[in-house]
Amino acid sequence: GAVVSQHPSRVICKSGTSVKIECRSLDFQATTMFWYRQFPKQSLMLMATSNEGSKATYEQGVEKDKFLINHASLTLSTLTVTSAHPEDSSFYICSARVFGSSGNTIYFGEGSWLTVV
Amino acid sequence: GNSVTQMEGPVTLSEEAFLTINCTYTATGYPSLFWYVQYPGEGLQLLLKATKADDKGSNKGFEATYRKETTSFHLEKGSVQVSDSAVYFCALILIQGAQKLVFGQGTRLTINP
Repeated sequence: GAVVSQHPSRVICKSGTSVKIECRSLDFQATTMFWYRQFPKQSLMLMATSNEGSKATYEQGVEKDKFLINHASLTLSTLTVTSAHPEDSSFYICSARVFGSSGNTIYFGEGSWLTVV
Repeated sequence: GNSVTQMEGPVTLSEEAFLTINCTYTATGYPSLFWYVQYPGEGLQLLLKATKADDKGSNKGFEATYRKETTSFHLEKGSVQVSDSAVYFCALILIQGAQKLVFGQGTRLTINP
């Protein structure tokens, strides 16, 4: 299947700083990527839809000024957590949609663990 | 609205047991259906999918059949292994509209040797 890669896989940052997570589609072009957040032992919560060349679409309750999303190319979307606080510590996962003749499929990255200290 | 309901976990089985994880859905349109698996500390991997009624998705010994009449997509495996221990997510995506994945709550599966 299609490959989606995230970087870094783990990051620790100090409270008040910003941290950037990258999501790349390695063998296909992705006009649309999705960013999720997952709390321990819970399902994934969709944060936003990232559209190449345009503004991201945020889900209700997600602060767009805190979670900055940029999708500047067809293979890269970035999530920047600004002014991070300990409550932002979480597992962040991106995904990308692949269009196919038998329907659309969504592939996920490996996830990024963020710890804010 | 669109939603996915999975069998509540956790589920604990012995190695070589038969596995069924139930999944039912409601959708305003005609969805494609997916099963994803998440191993500890990792992202989600696509396990199998089905895009139309009566399709059967299969991979690594797992199977699921798209049942439109019962709006179900139950995951089955004839003989589970310890390495199958993970969290399994059922999900749907509509062909029309925003095309965002809608997830079930996940089912944690533990296989004991």
